[in-house]
Amino acid sequence: ILNVEQSPQSLHVQEGDSTNFTCSFPSSNFYALHWYRWETAKSPEALFVMTLNGDEKKKGRISATLNTKEGYSYLYIKGSQPEDSATYLCAPLSGGGADGLTFGKGTHLIIQP
Amino acid sequence: KAGVTQTPRYLIKTRGQQVTLSCSPISGHRSVSWYQQTPGQGLQFLFEYFSETQRNKGNFPGRFSGRQFSNSRSEMNVSTLELGDSALYLCASSKGTSEQETQYFGPGTRLLVL
Repeated sequence: ILNVEQSPQSLHVQEGDSTNFTCSFPSSNFYALHWYRWETAKSPEALFVMTLNGDEKKKGRISATLNTKEGYSYLYIKGSQPEDSATYLCAPLSGGGADGLTFGKGTHLIIQP
Repeated sequence: KAGVTQTPRYLIKTRGQQVTLSCSPISGHRSVSWYQQTPGQGLQFLFEYFSETQRNKGNFPGRFSGRQFSNSRSEMNVSTLELGDSALYLCASSKGTSEQETQYFGPGTRLLVL
């Protein structure tokens, strides 16, 4: 079972501000990293799947970077909006993915108007 | 395209009973994974089924089992329920050709064990 750490656990951000948070995972035997957004009363929604060291992905105001050598990924949100309020989960895969996704406990983001 | 559906959405059981949860994947998806979320814990992987065979398994006791049918629908069974089994159970589907694929989650079944 992978040790996945997400920080901070929760975050309050003013509307319009930019923010970022971290996912840390073991760098050995890395295979892929998934980012999900989970809004209250909805299903987790996929944001990105990242595989290569130095990868950078973008979806609207949200982007993510990946460092597989040191075992971390950053998620950035530019110009936060109330609809960005959600829990953001990362899930690394190792060893060819045979153990399924191991999710971190998430960063709970609250955007204050 | 219809999304992943799960039934029932809510369930109340008592200790010692057994329960069966159902998951219908997106049409064309052959992989179904099951996850448990309890308060204070992240999503924990239970198992994955692909083409009617269990392909991967998480670290859960044997009371948790599953199966997949030829139409890719999957069921998860928990026997001899314990209070600690109270949780949100999510299933997710994907085409199943690569672990790097996006998984699409259902709305979950919330199980309460009294």
